[in-house]
Amino acid sequence: SQQGEEDPQALSIQEGENATMNCSYKTSINNLQWYRQNSGRGLVHLILIRSNEREKHSGRLRVTLDTSKKSSSLLITASRAADTASYFCATDAVDSNYQLIWGAGTKLIIKP
Amino acid sequence: EAQVTQNPRYLITVTGKKLTVTCSQNMNHEYMSWYRQDPGLGLRQIYYSMNVEVTDKGDVPEGYKVSRKEKRNFPLILESPSPNQTSLYFCASSLFPEGLAGTLNTGELFFGEGSRLTVL
Repeated sequence: SQQGEEDPQALSIQEGENATMNCSYKTSINNLQWYRQNSGRGLVHLILIRSNEREKHSGRLRVTLDTSKKSSSLLITASRAADTASYFCATDAVDSNYQLIWGAGTKLIIKP
Repeated sequence: EAQVTQNPRYLITVTGKKLTVTCSQNMNHEYMSWYRQDPGLGLRQIYYSMNVEVTDKGDVPEGYKVSRKEKRNFPLILESPSPNQTSLYFCASSLFPEGLAGTLNTGELFFGEGSRLTVL
């Protein structure tokens, strides 16, 4: 079952610009995670944010979580060509029995 | 190096010919899971395991079997593959980090590189 929905489905920006992707979900969560997937490769974990946290940073990545709106955003600052990938959010819902629920992803293209 | 290893990476087979995709992790993780990824459908969970001899169905278990006889290995078995099982398959593993109020939550998943399966 798909709980997370990423927005936009695709995003194309110039190198150096900031990229923002959003994720909305439906039920209460323990945590929300963001992953990156280069074309045809395995997913790589980026950030995990717990339900009692509002913001987290990791290098050029900034994730926010608004549990009242059931939404999260991933900001990549000063984008690089190597950031071209698909980005997925995954939620650990409170009653999910240890199953992460995945969105369909945002495809990000960084133009040199 | 911490990793999840899947084999084979690519496989073309025919309908009905039993196959096994192996998955092994070297991080002593309790939790392991299999996903399939299809265009436009995102990741869908097939089966997962919370520890040795403990497995459970995910969202799309039909046509698949798994076993967890050892902590490090979690093979995916297609007893009689069909063309609708043509997909990209991922194995993943995780610890169970403690969450709020002492609960166990799903933690960071470590993924294998994927196995692209084509069933003719």
